[in-house]
Amino acid sequence: AQKVTQAQTEISVVEKEDVTLDCVYETRDTTYYLFWYKQPPSGELVFLIRRNSFDEQNEISGRYSWNFQKSTSSFNFTITASQVVDSAVYFCALPMDSNYQLIWGAGTKLIIKP
Amino acid sequence: GAGVSQSPRYKVAKRGQDVALRCDPISGHVSLFWYQQALGQGPEFLTYFQNEAQLDKSGLPSDRFFAERPEGSVSTLKIQRTQQEDSAVYLCASSLARPSGISHNEQFFGPGTRLTVL
Repeated sequence: AQKVTQAQTEISVVEKEDVTLDCVYETRDTTYYLFWYKQPPSGELVFLIRRNSFDEQNEISGRYSWNFQKSTSSFNFTITASQVVDSAVYFCALPMDSNYQLIWGAGTKLIIKP
Repeated sequence: GAGVSQSPRYKVAKRGQDVALRCDPISGHVSLFWYQQALGQGPEFLTYFQNEAQLDKSGLPSDRFFAERPEGSVSTLKIQRTQQEDSAVYLCASSLARPSGISHNEQFFGPGTRLTVL
């Protein structure tokens, strides 16, 4: 069965530190997508990235980067030079067999202290 | 509008009361999803619409929950005879196209409706 594990419940760092959020997944599919979403205190889930399992290249977007490793079923998210505005809960998600239901991790609460 | 909107943002109901939560998806989006999010947890799938057709309602926790999207745009999630365990944030999301094995568009979320049942 599909499953997403975000083992880090809460991470607290000081501003400007780098921080990595872990995501480990289980799936029977050979082709699949993975997602990261951000949920700031306002509550609205904000899409960050979608990756296809065909593409294992790391992706960088500004201070954000993603490391996708199929061999270890991990899709980790790194924020470089963190800022207070990065404080939020971050979710990793994986589509179910049906392809429209998303299976969500429990989320990692990230606290960036000034 | 530019994004998904939901109303009301907050709803307090007395146990046993019926509630109706509204979702306005992004115009033109085919797919619409409802999720339930308990405090400190990730969203849990409730139901999925493709246009006006409700293709999956397997996540609805009981027959007290009912969702509709009669004209393929606005959707309403209704909860009858609310119970305290229904207290949660109800999220609506829309997506441009229907998901398939070769494509899975990102879902755009509304701000949610926080339901508190006393």
